Amino acid sequence: AQTVTQSQPEMSVQEAETVTLSCTYDTSENNYYLFWYKQPPSRQMILVIRQEAYKQQNATENRFSVNFQKAAKSFSLKISDSQLGDTAMYFCAFMNNNAGNMLTFGGGTRLMVKP
Amino acid sequence: DAGVTQSPTHLIKTRGQHVTLRCSPISGHKSVSWYQQVLGQGPQFIFQYYEKEERGRGNFPDRFSARQFPNYSSELNVNALLLGDSALYLCASTQGLGTYNEQFFGPGTRLTVL
Repeated sequence: AQTVTQSQPEMSVQEAETVTLSCTYDTSENNYYLFWYKQPPSRQMILVIRQEAYKQQNATENRFSVNFQKAAKSFSLKISDSQLGDTAMYFCAFMNNNAGNMLTFGGGTRLMVKP
Repeated sequence: DAGVTQSPTHLIKTRGQHVTLRCSPISGHKSVSWYQQVLGQGPQFIFQYYEKEERGRGNFPDRFSARQFPNYSSELNVNALLLGDSALYLCASTQGLGTYNEQFFGPGTRLTVL
């Protein structure tokens, strides 16, 4: 079974600054995906970024980038130039590519962007 | 295009009652998954359905059941409700199974059990 751990229950950052959210996971699988999801107060879960385990290059989506350390089973999210609209819960999630599309989520990090 | 829709938005039930939650996937998507998100926690996988067949089940009691209809919409049923069933229930749809398919989430149904 996979486990996903987010050790930062809450974080805050000033607008326009950079923040990094941490995530570690545990698995014996080699073929998997990792994700960061954003859940604003409206509750809709939105995919922010994904990383395929077999790719060494870290994924980037505009202001969002990841630091994927496969050996250390670490997957952190960096948000650059933070905006007020980035305020939300952020969930790290794991998907075993050999087990359908089931997602295993971490407990989440509440991010507050301050003006 | 419409996204994943769920109904109702909110629901209040009492212990011991039964509840049915509904989900309509994105047009063309054939797989639906259900997740339970207790307040302050991350979502937990309940079921996955593809082409009307159950393809995955999480660690939930038999009081939880689901089904998928020919139009790929889905229902989640919970019997003999407990206070601990109070949660946000999320539905997600994907085009299919196999190689990576992005999951698109609905807005959820907030269930309160009194």
